[in-house]
Amino acid sequence: SQQGEEDPQALSIQEGENATMNCSYKTSINNLQWYRQNSGRGLVHLILIRSNEREKHSGRLRVTLDTSKKSSSLLITASRAADTASYFCATHLGGGNKLTFGTGTQLKVEL
Amino acid sequence: DAGVTQSPTHLIKTRGQQVTLRCSPKSGHDTVSWYQQALGQGPQFIFQYYEEEERQRGNFPDRFSGHQFPNYSSELNVNALLLGDSALYLCASRGTGNTEAFFGQGTRLTVV
Repeated sequence: SQQGEEDPQALSIQEGENATMNCSYKTSINNLQWYRQNSGRGLVHLILIRSNEREKHSGRLRVTLDTSKKSSSLLITASRAADTASYFCATHLGGGNKLTFGTGTQLKVEL
Repeated sequence: DAGVTQSPTHLIKTRGQQVTLRCSPKSGHDTVSWYQQALGQGPQFIFQYYEEEERQRGNFPDRFSGHQFPNYSSELNVNALLLGDSALYLCASRGTGNTEAFFGQGTRLTVV
């Protein structure tokens, strides 16, 4: 079963705009990770945020984590056409090493 | 560094057949996990191998089995294929003590 649910399922924006995707999960986590997937190919790791962190930045990416609400958000600033992809959040529960993925947000950035 | 490599890229099999997918982990990585991704869904964890043993398993039937070799490469075997096994199969590797997983490009399996 899916641990996380991304919202929205699909998002279409113009180049230069910001894109925000949200992820909700069900159980306590060790860390949460965001991945990008282009056209059904492999997953690319974007950023990891640990359960004791509230915000993290990496280039044009900003991730927040609210463990009390069991939610996270991914913000992509100044989007580019190359950002067009599916974005997944994945939770790591600790103890084991499996990642539990959400259903993904399909982002389309138009010129 | 070649990263995680998977073979083949695409595969078409008939119901009831058996299939073997292969994965070479990123250099320096010793842990390999396999995921199944159905169309429009997120990846689902199948199992993980470390030190040539299955360490953790997801909710998949025994038709799904695997193996890890001394060089850390891994195989995923699926017996008695069903139409519902059609999916993208992803391999991920990581090093001991690291949480970040590196994924391969996947094998697209179509069962007809």
